[in-house]
Amino acid sequence: DGGITQSPKYLFRKEGQNVTLSCEQNLNHDAMYWYRQDPGQGLRLIYYSQIVNDFQKGDIAEGYSVSREKKESFPLTVTSAQKNPTAFYLCASMGNRGNTGELFFGEGSRLTVL
Amino acid sequence: RKEVEQDPGPFNVPEGATVAFNCTYSNSASQSFFWYRQDCRKEPKLLMSVYSSGNEDGRFTAQLNRASQYISLLIRDSKLSDSATYLCVVTNYGGSQGNLIFGKGTKLSVKP
Repeated sequence: DGGITQSPKYLFRKEGQNVTLSCEQNLNHDAMYWYRQDPGQGLRLIYYSQIVNDFQKGDIAEGYSVSREKKESFPLTVTSAQKNPTAFYLCASMGNRGNTGELFFGEGSRLTVL
Repeated sequence: RKEVEQDPGPFNVPEGATVAFNCTYSNSASQSFFWYRQDCRKEPKLLMSVYSSGNEDGRFTAQLNRASQYISLLIRDSKLSDSATYLCVVTNYGGSQGNLIFGKGTKLSVKP
C-alpha cells in the first residue's frame, strides 16, 4: 500500500549528538514537509520541499537540516545546535492534484534527548 | 492575534451529545480550510475539507464563514470513538507552498 514511512519511531540521543530521522514516501508526491509537535501545541513547520533538490525553511528551521536528493526521500537531521530537540517529529507529503491541501502523515518519530 | 486559534478544551461530553468547535483565522486572504483529527500520540489525519457552501459527511458538518473569518465543525450523536484532538488547518496560498497553518487543536473526550 502507498504511504509514508518514518523511522525510527523512538529515538534517544545524548546532548551534543546529531541524529537523522528518515522519511520515505511511495505516493509519488512532489511536496514533502517536516513538522515538530510539542505537548499541547500545534504543528510547527521546520522545512518543506516542493521538488527534488529544492527545499525551503519553515518557521523553526534553526538547528535542523534536510536534503531532497530523491523524490521519495526527505530526511531530517537534528543537529547539536537545536537547543530543545525533544519532541514529536512528523513528516508529511501532499498530493499533486490542484493543491488540495490534504497532507498525508507518517506515524512520527519521537525524539528524546537525555 | 494568532493566525489560527482554537478553543483548546477539553470538551467533555456524554455519548450521543452534539458538540461544536470553532476555529478563527486572521488572514482574510486564506484560501483553503480543513479539519484534521489526531488521536493520542498518533499522526493527524484529514477529517474534512471545508467548502464555502458547507459540507456534511455523516455525523460531521463543517462550515466556513468568510465574513467573520471562522470555520466550524459540528459532531452529532457523539461516539466514544470520536474522542481525539481536532486540528483546524488553514492555507494562505497554494497548499503545496508550505503555507499551511495549524491550530493547536481542540481536545474532545466522549464519555459513556
